[in-house]
Amino acid sequence: AQSVSQHNHHVILSEAASLELGCNYSYGGTVNLFWYVQYPGQHLQLLLKYFSGDPLVKGIKGFEAEFIKSKFSFNLRKPSVQWSDTAEYFCAVNAGGFKTIFGAGTRLFVKA
Amino acid sequence: GAVVSQHPSWVICKSGTSVKIECRSLDFQATTMFWYRQFPKQSLMLMATSNEGSKATYEQGVEKDKFLINHASLTLSTLTVTSAHPEDSSFYICSARDGTKYEQYFGPGTRLTVT
Repeated sequence: AQSVSQHNHHVILSEAASLELGCNYSYGGTVNLFWYVQYPGQHLQLLLKYFSGDPLVKGIKGFEAEFIKSKFSFNLRKPSVQWSDTAEYFCAVNAGGFKTIFGAGTRLFVKA
Repeated sequence: GAVVSQHPSWVICKSGTSVKIECRSLDFQATTMFWYRQFPKQSLMLMATSNEGSKATYEQGVEKDKFLINHASLTLSTLTVTSAHPEDSSFYICSARDGTKYEQYFGPGTRLTVT
């Protein structure tokens, strides 16, 4: 069965620090990969997605993610976080079917 | 962009009553809709997947007679929690997918409190 692992449940950073959130999935075939963000009191929003092509994808608000097929990973990065990036981040994988599997989420808190 | 709405955003009901939650895709046709449940500090748990005009497919462990899902049109799906109990209190989120696109658009969620 497919599964998605997010290694960090809670991350605390100071403003301007660099961010990397890990995401690994278990599925051997072609996958579509997503990162969603949920800001406090708001609903889930798509941050970025990878379907094919360049494995380094850029999303909104300066976020990017790199798909490394050999490592089954899709880590999220941002060079310099801001207080407004405080949110919960979910990695998700779709293996071509209807169902998208979500990771457990990572709560990021950015100290001003 | 694609917008999904949910109504109500918050509902309080007494134990034993039923509650209906609506999910609407406002500017696209949602061939597939998903219903999730989110517990505090936890990830989204997929409850069921519904395709327009078909019966919903429920995930293992989700009682289909308790959580009734109707996807009657390409823009509307409803989740009815029947005979609600306090343990059904949770945050229910719907999402919708447009055709063959794999991207899902999420609604703002409905907080259900059963007293």
